[in-house]
Amino acid sequence: NAGVTQTPKFRILKIGQSMTLQCTQDMNHNYMYWYRQDPGMGLKLIYYSVGAGITDKGEVPNGYNVSRSTTEDFPLRLELAAPSQTSVYFCASSYSKGVNTGELFFGEGSRLTVL
Amino acid sequence: GNSVTQMEGPVTLSEEAFLTINCTYTATGYPSLFWYVQYPGEGLQLLLKATKADDKGSNKGFEATYRKETTSFHLEKGSVQVSDSAVYFCALKAGTALIFGKGTTLSVSS
Repeated sequence: NAGVTQTPKFRILKIGQSMTLQCTQDMNHNYMYWYRQDPGMGLKLIYYSVGAGITDKGEVPNGYNVSRSTTEDFPLRLELAAPSQTSVYFCASSYSKGVNTGELFFGEGSRLTVL
Repeated sequence: GNSVTQMEGPVTLSEEAFLTINCTYTATGYPSLFWYVQYPGEGLQLLLKATKADDKGSNKGFEATYRKETTSFHLEKGSVQVSDSAVYFCALKAGTALIFGKGTTLSVSS
């Protein structure tokens, strides 16, 4: 079972470059999320989506964009990379109903370095 | 606003020692509470959860009790193993997303 798959696992960008982090899940989850993890800071929510065609900002959305054209895919776009965006990015998904809505299924992460 | 505060690490223990990682929260209403674990090089995975006051979540020998009076959800294990070495995150569910604490690194030596 694939679960949540993120690509790439590692990437180095130059300041000002753009890129897209890909995320796909095969569990038919309606809810999907992007978090960033910085050392000693825990996870911060960037964007989330409650279903295809619906996205909303989290705590730290500046410098990022997302889209959700299908249930399976939730790509994260960095338009003008900045050193402050150096981080580990995690995509996650979850059920949308019932008592299990708090159980997030995480991908393995994408480590991005901006130089 | 909603927030989660965890004890700072790292926590270093010998095998078979007792573990406590403190977690307190601030939230409106009565959120669901969670502990997630992150092993080196991996994403987070759910360890246990509690959805209402006085609930006890348990898994793999770990336990945590939802204490409304003290707004706490401390993680405990009676006898840790080397394989428990990881980063532990306390989290609460606020609306659609989870709010995470900063994480506590546990290192267990044999």
